[in-house]
Amino acid sequence: EDQVTQSPEALRLQEGESSSLNCSYTVSGLRGLFWYRQDPGKGPEFLFTLYSAGEEKEKERLKATLTKKESFLHITAPKPEDSATYLCAVSADRGSTLGRLYFGRGTQLTVWP
Amino acid sequence: NAGVTQTPKFQVLKTGQSMTLQCAQDMNHNSMYWYRQDPGMGLRLIYYSASEGTTDKGEVPNGYNVSRLNKREFSLRLESAAPSQTSVYFCASMLIEGGEETQYFGPGTRLLVL
Repeated sequence: EDQVTQSPEALRLQEGESSSLNCSYTVSGLRGLFWYRQDPGKGPEFLFTLYSAGEEKEKERLKATLTKKESFLHITAPKPEDSATYLCAVSADRGSTLGRLYFGRGTQLTVWP
Repeated sequence: NAGVTQTPKFQVLKTGQSMTLQCAQDMNHNSMYWYRQDPGMGLRLIYYSASEGTTDKGEVPNGYNVSRLNKREFSLRLESAAPSQTSVYFCASMLIEGGEETQYFGPGTRLLVL
């Protein structure tokens, strides 16, 4: 059974204190691993898609990395506006189920000044 | 581009009532999806449509029906609402370009079934 587990469930950081969020997955035939940001009362906002082990992508203070079993979302020198829930999802390479995503429960990040 | 739009934003239903959640995208994407999000759980796929004219069940399809009206619009219908269907519903559409996949989400419909 495909599973996505995110840790920690919640993380509080002081502004400028770098850290990492973890997403571990078990899926047969990984097609892609997705990171989203979700603000309260809003829909998920796309951040990155990673496709193969060793791949890295960056956007402002965020950097996502991928291994064969997990992905990390590194947050460098976070600011209060980075506070949000970060969601991880995977898609499997199974023909007609293209684009079907399996989501983790998310990590709620709070950055205080 | 408005992206993915959903109506209504909020809805309160009584048990047994029916309603249709509307979703539209203006990005010319082929694939569209309906998810529900419940506290303490990840987003779960209800139904999806890989292309115009096709629909398939996801993880939690019971109690729902869908219609892919055209390339832009994908609606979700609750025929007889139950309290267990209280949730936030998100519609999404997917772009595949140059081997890259990106799924864009709408703002959500918050549904309360009493």
